[in-house]
Amino acid sequence: DTEVTQTPKHLVMGMTNKKSLKCEQHMGHRAMYWYKQKAKKPPELMFVYSYEKLSINESVPSRFSPECPNSSLLNLHLHALQPEDSALYLCASSQEKSGGADGYTFGSGTRLTVV
Amino acid sequence: GESVGLHLPTLSVQEGDNSIINCAYSNSASDYFIWYKQESGKGPQFIIDIRSNMDKRQGQRVTVLLNKTVKHLSLQIAATQPGDSAVYFCAETLRGRALTFGSGTRLQVQP
Repeated sequence: DTEVTQTPKHLVMGMTNKKSLKCEQHMGHRAMYWYKQKAKKPPELMFVYSYEKLSINESVPSRFSPECPNSSLLNLHLHALQPEDSALYLCASSQEKSGGADGYTFGSGTRLTVV
Repeated sequence: GESVGLHLPTLSVQEGDNSIINCAYSNSASDYFIWYKQESGKGPQFIIDIRSNMDKRQGQRVTVLLNKTVKHLSLQIAATQPGDSAVYFCAETLRGRALTFGSGTRLQVQP
């Protein structure tokens, strides 16, 4: 298995809702990432997990809460989001935090719309 | 504040022509560079990478050139095909740090 699987593919949520995005990989990668991508912009790093521990939080608002239950799973819990949080949320994994020669593998993303 | 406008830079080429996509990277200490292709509704897909101790690397139909003096990276696609139409991003990283993406370029291949 050489894929990163993200669910759901699309999500519409209200500003008072609580929802979760899920990401799964079975490549044995020990680093996992959440990126946010607005339309016509490059992906921007949100969080990095290395060996199941949060190693980087790029000053992301607390309404986004990451969780890494085990080495294969990465969740992003969402609560009280704003319409400007609407974006494509991408999960990625790599063998090591630096990416190294293996580079990163990205999922297809969750298209989130906050109404 | 953000300096990128609402529209991606676009490169339009005829099928069969060669394409050159350019990127200026920001960190002179970065030691690893990657080109990604992103199609509509999909995540970035790895194309080719290059380490900072190299200035050229070739793959199948693609070549990456690195000019560290001016912090410039380019992606050359030979014999461009309609399936190459996508947004292309360069990305950089320094050992121990996560990947940082540059602004993208939309490639449109006219049949």
